[in-house]
Order: sequence, then structure tokens, then C-alpha cells
Amino acid sequence: QVHLVESGGGVVQPGRSLRLSCAASGFTFSNYRMHWVRQAPGKGLEWVAAIWYDASNKYYVDSVKGRFTISRDNSKNTLSLQMDSLRAEDTALYYCVRHREDYPYFYMDVWGKGTTVTVSS
Amino acid sequence: EIVLTQSPGTLSLSPGGRATLSCRASQSVSSNFLVWYQQKPGQTPRLLIYGASTRATGIPDRFSGSGSGTDFTLTISRLEPEDFAVYYCQHYGTSPPYTFGQGTKLEIK
Repeated sequence: QVHLVESGGGVVQPGRSLRLSCAASGFTFSNYRMHWVRQAPGKGLEWVAAIWYDASNKYYVDSVKGRFTISRDNSKNTLSLQMDSLRAEDTALYYCVRHREDYPYFYMDVWGKGTTVTVSS
Repeated sequence: EIVLTQSPGTLSLSPGGRATLSCRASQSVSSNFLVWYQQKPGQTPRLLIYGASTRATGIPDRFSGSGSGTDFTLTISRLEPEDFAVYYCQHYGTSPPYTFGQGTKLEIK
């Protein structure tokens, strides 16, 4: 069974840092691009960051560039998101998501249950 | 950056009815990169349709996707109680950003 399990969420003050992790199992993690997607309370889905199979490419939504860093450890089947200089608007449920390619199609096929980040003083 | 606009914001229908959800892109996109997800309250999003019209594994055939260019549609032909949820379209191209529409809430009338 393919599983993605996020951890590391919590309540943090504005300006502080938090590191999210995602443990992957049931598939060859190193063969897949991975994403973080977030959902603010009562709001829609927002793509946050992506990382290529070997971490050779990393991409971010404009609102987190320079503050968030996505990384992965293929030896430990783990995806991470280091979040610095957190703002109230970063408050959301953060999902770890797997990329899938069925040429010529791309899509997000497996989602974790998410971990909640609350930025509040 | 491609912006996706979904309409209506909320759709109220009865079980057994037919739902038509729209997703409009701010510029022409390849249908290969148009994806639909379903999210039920308190649950994780679920992949429904990719490539604008290909159903994901396990998705019932009452769900269908169509469209090209800037206009895409998700149709649910015979609404079941479990279909009432929020639906998101996404442009998932060869490079980011991988934008989502704002969602359409399908509610029971």
C-alpha cells in the first residue's frame, strides 16, 4: 500500500520556523517527483513546492520563495519542508503529494492526510 | 501564470440529477494537463480525471471530463449521495506553478 504520512505541524509565532516531514512507503520514493500542497482553513488548494526525483530541481509558489525550502532524503524515503519567517497567511493544512507521469499526462495521484500549521501570536 | 476560474461557486442539485462543473483557463492549455480532484469534508483530495477526460483508477463512469483550449467541464451524470463534495480543477503542466481553480461546491438541494 502506498502511504504518505506527514508530521511536524504545530502552533508557531509569526517570524519563527517549523520543519515538516513526510514519510513515504509502499513505492520507490526516489522514482517520483514530490510536492507540498496546502489548504488554509475553509479555503481551496494551493500548490506550495515541488522537488524533482534527485532534488536537481526545486520550485516554489511566489508567496513562499526565499522563506521555504523543500528537500528530500531518498535513502530514508523522506520529504521535508523547512518553513522560515512564518506568517499568519501560512496557516494551513499541509499535504505531501506524489507526482505521477503516464506520458503524456501528469497529475498528483497520492495524497497524505496532512499536518496542520498554525501561525499565531 | 495560468489562472483557472471555476463556476459556479456552489451548485445545488438533487441525487439522481446531472451536474455540470466548469473550469476556464486564462489562456489556452493543453488538455493533457487538465486534472480534476474531488474533496469530501474532512478528507484528502482524490484524483478523479486527468488529461481532461481520462478517469483515474476506480472512478465510476458517471464521472466524465471534456473540453479543450480554455474551457473544460466535469460532468456527473447521475448524482449519488457520496458525490456531494468540493471539486477542483488543476493545470498540471510540464513546469510550475501547478495552479488550482478555487473549487466548486456541489451540495444537496
